[in-house]
Amino acid sequence: GQQVMQIPQYQHVQEGEDFTTYCNSSTTLSNIQWYKQRPGGHPVFLIQLVKSGEVKKQKRLTFQFGEAKKNSSLHITATQTTDVGTYFCAGFLASGSARQLTFGSGTQLTVLP
Amino acid sequence: DGGITQSPKYLFRKEGQNVTLSCEQNLNHDAMYWYRQDPGQGLRLIYYSQIVNDFQKGDIAEGYSVSREKKESFPLTVTSAQKNPTAFYLCASSTRRGGTDTQYFGPGTRLTVL
Repeated sequence: GQQVMQIPQYQHVQEGEDFTTYCNSSTTLSNIQWYKQRPGGHPVFLIQLVKSGEVKKQKRLTFQFGEAKKNSSLHITATQTTDVGTYFCAGFLASGSARQLTFGSGTQLTVLP
Repeated sequence: DGGITQSPKYLFRKEGQNVTLSCEQNLNHDAMYWYRQDPGQGLRLIYYSQIVNDFQKGDIAEGYSVSREKKESFPLTVTSAQKNPTAFYLCASSTRRGGTDTQYFGPGTRLTVL
């Protein structure tokens, strides 16, 4: 079945440092979404990428979708303590049920003050 | 105030008992989903429903059952056949408005089997 791998599993950074999480799929994705889950909370939608090579920015967050639509990344510039949480990528298969997302295992970010 | 509600927030059950987790949404979304999350892990799909009176198994459906009699409600029953039911259960709903199939999650139910 489809697999979405995400690395690293854990990341500790000092406040002000940058952070990147990477997402790789074994199959081509029609689009990819990113979610953030705060400790003790539930996932909250951040963004969706659809086009090959697409780059989107949200303040200090930069999202990229690979040219082959099999990988994606989330980069946070100058992390803050409010960035703490687990970041998940989730992809829709290009040729499967468009309503079923496959989630990566997530990257748990800790920001040290 | 629109959203997804799940109840209860914490649930304890004795081994061998069935238990039903509630999920209600007033977002008028067609699709609803149940995920299971274990510590340090991602979300695994249990069941999903795209329309009323229809649902499909996800990746880990064994030991679980669902119903979708109303658009607003998608209860999940964790049966005694589920070998390791202690987990965080998340319900979600989605719609394709605006071309984005965003999933909106409820607050979750933490189930502990004693």
